[in-house]
Amino acid sequence: AQSVTQPDIHITVSEGASLELRCNYSYGATPYLFWYVQSPGQGLQLLLKYFSGDTLVQGIKGFEAEFKRSQSSFNLRKPSVHWSDAAEYFCAVGNYGQNFVFGPGTRLSVLP
Amino acid sequence: NAGVTQTPKFRILKIGQSMTLQCTQDMNHNYMYWYRQDPGMGLKLIYYSVGAGITDKGEVPNGYNVSRSTTEDFPLRLELAAPSQTSVYFCASSYGGVDTNTGELFFGEGSRLTVL
Repeated sequence: AQSVTQPDIHITVSEGASLELRCNYSYGATPYLFWYVQSPGQGLQLLLKYFSGDTLVQGIKGFEAEFKRSQSSFNLRKPSVHWSDAAEYFCAVGNYGQNFVFGPGTRLSVLP
Repeated sequence: NAGVTQTPKFRILKIGQSMTLQCTQDMNHNYMYWYRQDPGMGLKLIYYSVGAGITDKGEVPNGYNVSRSTTEDFPLRLELAAPSQTSVYFCASSYGGVDTNTGELFFGEGSRLTVL
């Protein structure tokens, strides 16, 4: 069965520091991979997505993610975190049957 | 654009009561979804629809019903509320299926439901 794991439940970084959020997936075919962000009290917003081609994808708000097939990973990165990046981040795999499999989420806190 | 609009934002129900969560989208999207979000569990798919008149079960459909009479609207009905249905519910839509490059989900702001 498809699954997505996000090993870090909560991460705290200082403003201006770099960030990497981990995502590992289990999927039998070529995955369609996504990162969504959820600000408090809001719905989820797409940050970036990978379907094929270049394994390093750029998203909104200065985020990027790298697909590594050998490691079944799709980690999210940002070189310099801003206080407004504090939110919850979800990794997801889009599979057939019209369903996303979402990870449990990683909550990011940013220290001033 | 309004995008995806959900009502109500908050609701408290007693066990056994019924209610409908409303969802409307103005993007002419074919696909619509209902998810529930529980702490530490990510999002779980309840029901989805690939077009007007077509609905199908997701991962956790028990205790819920849906209908899709128009492209714009996709209401979710809880028939006999139970404490296990306490959750945050999100409606989402997309132009294409989740396994396509048009499968980006657009979410509403959520409806927080408490069953006591």
